[in-house]
Amino acid sequence: GAVVSQHPSWVICKSGTSVKIECRSLDFQATTMFWYRQFPKQSLMLMATSNEGSKATYEQGVEKDKFLINHASLTLSTLTVTSAHPEDSSFYICSAVRAETQYFGPGTRLLVL
Amino acid sequence: EDQVTQSPEALRLQEGESSSLNCSYTVSGLRGLFWYRQDPGKGPEFLFTLYSAGEEKEKERLKATLTKKESFLHITAPKPEDSATYLCAVQAGENFNKFYFGSGTKLNVKP
Repeated sequence: GAVVSQHPSWVICKSGTSVKIECRSLDFQATTMFWYRQFPKQSLMLMATSNEGSKATYEQGVEKDKFLINHASLTLSTLTVTSAHPEDSSFYICSAVRAETQYFGPGTRLLVL
Repeated sequence: EDQVTQSPEALRLQEGESSSLNCSYTVSGLRGLFWYRQDPGKGPEFLFTLYSAGEEKEKERLKATLTKKESFLHITAPKPEDSATYLCAVQAGENFNKFYFGSGTKLNVKP
């Protein structure tokens, strides 16, 4: 149990386009989901906390207009990278909370050309 | 300031050579300490949750222990497939959605 999926697993896009990444909890409901970014050989960097039915809480330094988060249901949160640029290229990972434990998705690798 | 520190940053072991990874923390109001395994290009995989000092949990060659200041992840007779980055996270404070992650220990087990 406690399976989290992400889609797509990887995406390549042109600079200036927007990219949406989905995070789903497959076998449980999650009031809270988190979005992380990870650079090569570095640890997880928390971007925002996504709560179902309310606005996301962004960490300091993360542009909320750049990284739009929508937690539309208890099993789905989406991260949209708007007007993506090469510096947004990274590995994005979501997690969903069940019984105060985070369960992570497999990650989405974004490459912006 | 709440903080989680993992050591060593990297660890090389020969197959069968047992060792321990450390996660020390300074937080107010520990609610839980979590261990994860992360393989390259993948999301972290949940291993253990520890809630109180003295608690221990085991899974195959891994054993996690907890004191009031730190946690150890003991690896007994490791195999090459145990090679991964091991992450420690602490949940603390009144906001149960607040987690603090360490920077990880990269383990390499040579055959």
